[in-house]
Amino acid sequence: QVQLVESGGGVVQPGRSLRLSCAASGFTFTSFGMNWVRQAPGMGLEWVARISYDGSDKYYADSVRGRFSISRDNPTNTLYLQMNSLRDDDTAVYYCAKDVSPYSGSTFQDYWGQGTLVSVSS
Amino acid sequence: DIQMTQSPSTLSAYVGDRVAITCRASQSITNYLAWYQQKPGKAPKVLIYRASTLESGVPSRFSGSGSGTEFTLTISSLQPDDFASYYCQQYNSYPLTFGPGTKVDIK
Repeated sequence: QVQLVESGGGVVQPGRSLRLSCAASGFTFTSFGMNWVRQAPGMGLEWVARISYDGSDKYYADSVRGRFSISRDNPTNTLYLQMNSLRDDDTAVYYCAKDVSPYSGSTFQDYWGQGTLVSVSS
Repeated sequence: DIQMTQSPSTLSAYVGDRVAITCRASQSITNYLAWYQQKPGKAPKVLIYRASTLESGVPSRFSGSGSGTEFTLTISSLQPDDFASYYCQQYNSYPLTFGPGTKVDIK
């Protein structure tokens, strides 16, 4: 069955960096685009970034463009989110989520991990 | 960017009630709309995609309708397991955007 397991969250000071990972299994990782979606405490869902199946196309929310970078390592079935210049308002649970269709363009997400909490605080 | 709005933000209802949640897009998204259910401390779960297609395994009491800029999620007979938050999402174009959510709680 599809499994997505995020790691790398924690407490970090404003201005510092953090890298999140998402280990994928149970599907052909190399065929699907992948996303990061976050949720601040008590708030709604915010899509953060998406990377195509082969890493050639990347999209970002305006709120993180230029600070965050999405990448993937297909041989190890791992998705990453490099977060630089972190701010207080980046505090959230970060979910990785799989595109529903292989080799697709813009689409929704059918499987989500359980999330990893990033807390930006001095 | 396409902005999504939802109403109401909170909905109080009884078990057995028929409830409806509205989602509006700032521009036409044809039918590229998904609905998600989220329970506290859990990841979202997709209920409906393409505005009206029920995801496999989702109870038939859930239904979706609409196209263009206005969409509705309807629960025909609210069950105890349905008390949760619901989000619409447009996937017509990047950046993907979610509505602010509707919390359905017990009256």
